[in-house]
Amino acid sequence: SQQGEEDPQALSIQEGENATMNCSYKTSINNLQWYRQNSGRGLVHLILIRSNEREKHSGRLRVTLDTSKKSSSLLITASRAADTASYFCATDEFQGAQKLVFGQGTRLTINP
Amino acid sequence: DAGVIQSPRHEVTEMGQEVTLRCKPISGHNSLFWYRQTMMRGLELLIYFNNNVPIDDSGMPEDRFSAKMPNASFSTLKIQPSEPRDSAVYFCASSLYMGNSPLHFGNGTRLTVT
Repeated sequence: SQQGEEDPQALSIQEGENATMNCSYKTSINNLQWYRQNSGRGLVHLILIRSNEREKHSGRLRVTLDTSKKSSSLLITASRAADTASYFCATDEFQGAQKLVFGQGTRLTINP
Repeated sequence: DAGVIQSPRHEVTEMGQEVTLRCKPISGHNSLFWYRQTMMRGLELLIYFNNNVPIDDSGMPEDRFSAKMPNASFSTLKIQPSEPRDSAVYFCASSLYMGNSPLHFGNGTRLTVT
């Protein structure tokens, strides 16, 4: 089952610009997480935001969460070529065993 | 900390053969997850364990798939018999506990079934 859905599917920007990716989900959640995946590698955890939080920062990353709209955004400021990767949001299903379900991801390309 | 270790990194096999994928989670982590990633279906959760006990295997596609976790430091995902549509990248991930805890992924096993 797909819980989170990222938007856009692909994003291409110039180095130094900001990149914004969005995630929508369907059911109530305890937390939402963002991950990055470089080509040929496993996913790497970036940031976790709990359902009672509205915004969280980590370095050049800013994540917002709007539980009323069931949506989240990931902002990467001052992008670098090394930020080129796919970005995924993941949510835990609130009821039951709280398994983590990933969206389809946004493919981000930073052009030098 | 060596991270989650998966083996092999690549596996090429013929249809009908048995395939066994292996995973060593991070020491001290209580939960282990098996995911499959394809272009068409994205990242799918196959099964996950908590304290070595399978909690939810509803994502396992068919009876041809089975997973075990005999102890806290080792898990296997077996496909018998394998089919071309099983071709994908299989990821193992572990976390400190279920729920509000980040997943740590291995680098995956790329399986090709011809």
